[in-house]
Amino acid sequence: ETGVTQTPRHLVMGMTNKKSLKCEQHLGHNAMYWYKQSAKKPLELMFVYSLEERVENNSVPSRFSPECPNSSHLFLHLHTLQPEDSALYLCASTRGQGNTEAFFGQGTRLTVV
Amino acid sequence: DAKTTQPPSMDCAEGRAANLPCNHSTISGNEYVYWYRQIHSQGPQYIIHGLKNNETNEMASLIITEDRKSSTLILPHATLRDTAVYYCIAVQGAQKLVFGQGTRLTINP
Repeated sequence: ETGVTQTPRHLVMGMTNKKSLKCEQHLGHNAMYWYKQSAKKPLELMFVYSLEERVENNSVPSRFSPECPNSSHLFLHLHTLQPEDSALYLCASTRGQGNTEAFFGQGTRLTVV
Repeated sequence: DAKTTQPPSMDCAEGRAANLPCNHSTISGNEYVYWYRQIHSQGPQYIIHGLKNNETNEMASLIITEDRKSSTLILPHATLRDTAVYYCIAVQGAQKLVFGQGTRLTINP
């Protein structure tokens, strides 16, 4: 148990669906991250939020829309996804800027059909 | 952030020490070396990090060469549960954690 909880753990959605992934942490951290891990590929950093402000967006398509309503919660809203978006989506948090360790959730395994 | 190079895979016998190397020859003075591991289909887990001194915690030891161009993660008594992909990252701040391919470590009984 890392203190970072992601829901749902598994999600199957059609290409025309809209769904959201949720991440929450009660570690008192003020930076949160979304990563994508496709099969047999390294983790790709998607978004970084610090103090609820988005500080990084690594050229992610607009069909992925993050939201950080407060420092404990992070969402990833999904719409009109493609089958190649099927992957493990991981959320992480850190205490803040600087050299601190990241705590990861267990991930959401997303399958787009 | 400095690029790191790791062997794609390694094997180790259960109960022996597992020594995982990492090259980071372009590391700058203010970049730390972080190690994470990812057990199959789980989120990565922080192991240890260091700047220039050797570090030890309950999970592992980190040996950094004097010129800081390489490091070794040591799992002193490997168990089957240590089978995972191990990532070495040279980074200035945690907000820039970029993962490479890592080393797939297999612990054999």
